Amino acid sequence: QSALTQPASVSGSPGQSITISCTGTSSDVGRSKYVSWYQQHPGKAPKLMIYDVSNRPSGVSNRFSGSKSGNTASLTISGLQAEDEADYYCSSYTNSDTMVFGGGTRLTV
Amino acid sequence: EVQLLESGGGLVQPGGSLRLSCAASGFTFGSYAMSWVRQAPGKGLEWVSAISGSGGSTYYAGSVRGRFTISRDNSKNTLYLQMNSLRAEDTAVYYCAKDPDITGTWGTAFDIWGQGTMVTVSS
Repeated sequence: QSALTQPASVSGSPGQSITISCTGTSSDVGRSKYVSWYQQHPGKAPKLMIYDVSNRPSGVSNRFSGSKSGNTASLTISGLQAEDEADYYCSSYTNSDTMVFGGGTRLTV
Repeated sequence: EVQLLESGGGLVQPGGSLRLSCAASGFTFGSYAMSWVRQAPGKGLEWVSAISGSGGSTYYAGSVRGRFTISRDNSKNTLYLQMNSLRAEDTAVYYCAKDPDITGTWGTAFDIWGQGTMVTVSS
């Protein structure tokens, strides 16, 4: 199972919005409602930011939103803040009963 | 407080074995699927293995199938990963992670993560 494709890096200024894409195939992102996004700060464990494509866990800012179209999922962060600077990973359940992550995107604010 | 605490990492020679443990607290452990996810130094996340809440179903990434075995003891609220025939490419921080679906369905997401335990495979 190949990793999902994410841009290596994105950047934005405080207050702006950015979108991170996550491209898979019809065997994972394209067929799964279980697409999730994780934020990871250096030296820390990942944190769940979006699950089931577009749902936010309790406590996650509504500046974070998720969507999906075909084989590509997206994470949008609006009103960028300095603390949003981190690595972001997408993940999807696959038709092989496995999970696959994206390669990760470094967000610079 | 919901918490996961991994242990058992360390330095092991190629071809050796190691068993990781993950102690869970703050939730009904046996109701949730659990996974192991690893991260090689400076690299991205890689899902390794998962187990259903009852322990009756297990799942593996192709890179570890036949070498790693996931198990759980719901009476002890503990998840395990037995790693055999270790290779240099298995060097990583290993995280245990909880699936948020209370029905025991696995693969939905990972809502709680431990702090990770480092495994280094080197001679």
